[in-house]
Amino acid sequence: EPEVTQTPSHQVTQMGQEVILRCVPISNHLYFYWYRQILGQKVEFLVSFYNNEISEKSEIFDDQFSVERPDGSNFTLKIRSTKLEDSAMYFCASLNLRGTLNTGELFFGEGSRLTVL
Amino acid sequence: SQQGEEDPQALSIQEGENATMNCSYKTSINNLQWYRQNSGRGLVHLILIRSNEREKHSGRLRVTLDTSKKSSSLLITASRAADTASYFCATDDDTDKLIFGTGTRLQVFP
Repeated sequence: EPEVTQTPSHQVTQMGQEVILRCVPISNHLYFYWYRQILGQKVEFLVSFYNNEISEKSEIFDDQFSVERPDGSNFTLKIRSTKLEDSAMYFCASLNLRGTLNTGELFFGEGSRLTVL
Repeated sequence: SQQGEEDPQALSIQEGENATMNCSYKTSINNLQWYRQNSGRGLVHLILIRSNEREKHSGRLRVTLDTSKKSSSLLITASRAADTASYFCATDDDTDKLIFGTGTRLQVFP
């Protein structure tokens, strides 16, 4: 069964460092998302991406964050200068265009745990 | 922005019992979905109910939706230890995103 894959599974970084989290969405999906979950808390929307541009973003997704789809398969989330409060689990998700949110489901990866020291 | 709130925050039951989780939201929706998350893992879609539907079944899952009360419930019948997980509702308001609730942590004891 096709799946969303994320790397790394866990990254430890120093405050102020840049971090890139990588995702390979399901190959025929066209909508891509990043969500984050601070330990034990709610799953928060960060950004949605469609047709090579940001479709929507939350207030969490400030200038320190960026997303990119550098080739036909990868979808990356970059945090330019990490803060302690960026420590969280970051989830990538994808959606088939034909599915749309009204009829289909988001497929989530297993997440990348980011620890900022 | 709309926000789902589940209750209870945590629920502990014995195997074989039914588990009911509730979700409330604030604004109009197109549909409501329920997801499951095993500890430290990704979210897995369970079931979707559209705004014009009132009840939906899938195996041991039963979901209800009351748009007048802006609430939904997820019932898991004859629970098993393997049902132990966090359960989240998520709503779609015709934008390109799902907004997730705060989740219910379900513990099923064998």
